[in-house]
Amino acid sequence: DAKTTQPPSMDCAEGRAANLPCNHSTISGNEYVYWYRQIHSQGPQYIIHGLKNNETNEMASLIITEDRKSSTLILPHATLRDTAVYYCIVRVRPGTASKLTFGTGTRLQVTL
Amino acid sequence: NAGVTQTPKFQVLKTGQSMTLQCAQDMNHEYMSWYRQDPGMGLRLIHYSVGAGITDQGEVPNGYNVSRSTTEDFPLRLLSAAPSQTSVYFCASSYTIAGASTDTQYFGPGTRLTVL
Repeated sequence: DAKTTQPPSMDCAEGRAANLPCNHSTISGNEYVYWYRQIHSQGPQYIIHGLKNNETNEMASLIITEDRKSSTLILPHATLRDTAVYYCIVRVRPGTASKLTFGTGTRLQVTL
Repeated sequence: NAGVTQTPKFQVLKTGQSMTLQCAQDMNHEYMSWYRQDPGMGLRLIHYSVGAGITDQGEVPNGYNVSRSTTEDFPLRLLSAAPSQTSVYFCASSYTIAGASTDTQYFGPGTRLTVL
């Protein structure tokens, strides 16, 4: 699976959009981009995934560049409860069972 | 649905002791897995199972055993605990397609293990 690069930390004011970037320059044609998050002391939570088209659900939007080498997770109106570590993961779908690989992610701090 | 449950929430062991971390899910998921998370690091896969009677190793299987006798349960056994196994352990489950995990993995609340 392709490796991903994320900034270690970001800040966002409550009510503003949080834009979390992810680089995956070695992504293959059959690999999807997944986002999970982990709120302090809890298990990770699935957010969204996509292949090449932009995706939106009730939690977030995912923007994937045309060359698929990077993507951005957008939380449109961040709240304090969105403070968490966000993981960008690239894998084949459905993935081989051993390949949901979590890196160190981006620690998002939402402030008043 | 209770989702994925793990017991205990906290555990302290002495070096050399054995114990079993319990994981259960009530969503009829075929795929279950165990991860460990150390401070400042991401999650690392220990073992996984794509169905009852089928288990396989992940990235860091040494020192851990698993079995899958039912769809619902996937216990993780530490045969002889070592301080290096001090970590937070998460169990996860998901549906499968063609024998592989699908998009959404549901994680339990974790077990915090300290080995002295």
